[in-house]
Amino acid sequence: KTQVEQSPQSLVVRQGENCVLQCNYSVTPDNHLRWFKQDTGKGLVSLTVLVHENDKTSNGRYSATLDKDAKHSTLHITATLLDDTATYICVVGDRGSALGRLHFGAGTQLIVIP
Amino acid sequence: EAAVTQSPRNKVTVTGGNVTLSCRQTNSHNYMYWYRQDTGHGLRLIHYSYGAGNLQIGDVPDGYKATRTTQEDFFLLLELASPSQTSLYFCASSDGDWGGNYAEQFFGPGTRLTVL
Repeated sequence: KTQVEQSPQSLVVRQGENCVLQCNYSVTPDNHLRWFKQDTGKGLVSLTVLVHENDKTSNGRYSATLDKDAKHSTLHITATLLDDTATYICVVGDRGSALGRLHFGAGTQLIVIP
Repeated sequence: EAAVTQSPRNKVTVTGGNVTLSCRQTNSHNYMYWYRQDTGHGLRLIHYSYGAGNLQIGDVPDGYKATRTTQEDFFLLLELASPSQTSLYFCASSDGDWGGNYAEQFFGPGTRLTVL
């Protein structure tokens, strides 16, 4: 059973627009949640990690929130650029070390058009 | 310079063929992982290792063997490849410690394997 669900599956926005990606999960325990960016044909690159209840993080034009009560996270991208075209993957870790397992979502494919 | 490299980047083989995927990391990490990525699924863990000579079974190990020869090198072996193993394979490494980075995994660029 899929424990990490991402929505939408795909999204098309115009350059300069903002967008919001959603991640809902049922992983227990939920030690931390990480968002990755995966460019086509490339590996995953970490954007941010959220750890605590109601955590908020910011990394340039990327910002993220975590609601552990609702087991929900959002990734906001502001003023999108063509280079933001990629798949964004939500990953929930059940421990804070390599002793735990990572649970991967299937990703949201974002396409930014001129 | 890329810290996790994989080879080959693309591989085509036939059913029953023998395939070895290679991964090298220069992060000095103890942990290394092999995942497969299929459309509509999240990455799934095949095997992992926490040091040279060590091997741990992941969530989808059937049909795969792995070997960690050094701290840097981790290999995935498909001895009788089947079309169901057509996938994008990623290798990753992490330090595994409680270093505050929550054992962040660093990924290679992937190997696309097609089994005809």
